[in-house]
Amino acid sequence: EAGVTQFPSHSVIEKGQTVTLRCDPISGHDNLYWYRRVMGKEIKFLLHFVKESKQDESGMPNNRFLAERTGGTYSTLKVQPAELEDSGVYFCASSQAFAGVAFFGQGTRLTVV
Amino acid sequence: AQSVTQPDIHITVSEGASLELRCNYSYGATPYLFWYVQSPGQGLQLLLKYFSGDTLVQGIKGFEAEFKRSQSSFNLRKPSVHWSDAAEYFCAVGRQTGANNLFFGTGTRLTVIP
Repeated sequence: EAGVTQFPSHSVIEKGQTVTLRCDPISGHDNLYWYRRVMGKEIKFLLHFVKESKQDESGMPNNRFLAERTGGTYSTLKVQPAELEDSGVYFCASSQAFAGVAFFGQGTRLTVV
Repeated sequence: AQSVTQPDIHITVSEGASLELRCNYSYGATPYLFWYVQSPGQGLQLLLKYFSGDTLVQGIKGFEAEFKRSQSSFNLRKPSVHWSDAAEYFCAVGRQTGANNLFFGTGTRLTVIP
């Protein structure tokens, strides 16, 4: 069974540009999460989808970040326009149950220059 | 407010030596507790979890952790470290009810010397 897959693994963009990160959860997992780790800091929760609905987006830093999960399958996280402080590793995770164990992807390392 | 503290940023141990990584948490309710590991170039892999019951939990790769409610701790241990254990380790806490959005510590990087 495939795990959580994230694309791309690395992205380097200039300040002001737009970047879209993609996450494919484990098949059958209704719950999908985005997390972010800024260098040297803790991994922080961004938002949680249940199927296609946003259950909790309290961790989204500002309105430059837009997450979608059309059809309740894969999810995208768009940053527009990107700022230097958006650099970090973005992790996606999925779980089957509402309070179940989350399985993480390998992360997307975003560098904004 | 929920928080997780991993006081050791970097630990170096010799191969074959024992290991203990510390984790303390602050949480308003009975938590779910997790240890994840990230090896170079890999994603976060679940080592073990504590939901309830026996406070000593066994995980993969020979790791174990002990939940001590009185100390708000969930330290990770391994009796004999292998070179392949070199990685970054994250302690996390989640809610027992509702969504399991996790709160992570800042991580402990483990270096293993031959």
